[in-house]
Amino acid sequence: GAVVSQHPSWVICKSGTSVKIECRSLDFQATTMFWYRQFPKQSLMLMATSNEGSKATYEQGVEKDKFLINHASLTLSTLTVTSAHPEDSSFYICSAFKREGAREQYFGPGTRLTVT
Amino acid sequence: DAKTTQPTSMDCAEGRAANLPCNHSTISGNEYVYWYRQIHSQGPQYIIHGLKNNETNEMASLIITEDRKSSTLILPHATLRDTAVYYCIVRASNDYKLSFGAGTTVTVRA
Repeated sequence: GAVVSQHPSWVICKSGTSVKIECRSLDFQATTMFWYRQFPKQSLMLMATSNEGSKATYEQGVEKDKFLINHASLTLSTLTVTSAHPEDSSFYICSAFKREGAREQYFGPGTRLTVT
Repeated sequence: DAKTTQPTSMDCAEGRAANLPCNHSTISGNEYVYWYRQIHSQGPQYIIHGLKNNETNEMASLIITEDRKSSTLILPHATLRDTAVYYCIVRASNDYKLSFGAGTTVTVRA
């Protein structure tokens, strides 16, 4: 199978602080990873596409200076929520696109962020 | 623009087959039909996908109509652990992005 992990699984932080979320593909290489956000009782909304070794592509309405994405290796992408506010509280999910074999997206378990 | 239409919710009995419909009347020739599901507070899980032929794997079967304007996901023997939100997504072969709609909330009852 293709396993994607996220760390941490949940985090509570104070308003104004920054939080980093890691997404790792454990048993395959992923040149492309995606970051989603999901508010309660809503569907997943794509935030950005992360490509290894290049700048991320953000969806319309997503602030790139607030949600910093780094994809430094073929197995790791990070999302940093800078100067977090309570409205950033959400479920953040990453996915990794497998470059070989079954070319599908595999999702991580998600990270629950609560900003107080 | 939603490319797929699914019922908001459905119930099914444990041990019975669950048939989940999806309409995608504007699907293009190079677009696949994908199904994912999301169990509460977890990341989505890939189930199955197809282009025009029916597909089956260890999790489910996918039946696509001849005109490709609709499809049905079949869970052959639903269990309580199949309770989840099921998403039907249309995706072109050269487009890596997935656009999630509201999905169908499936509740399997004992």
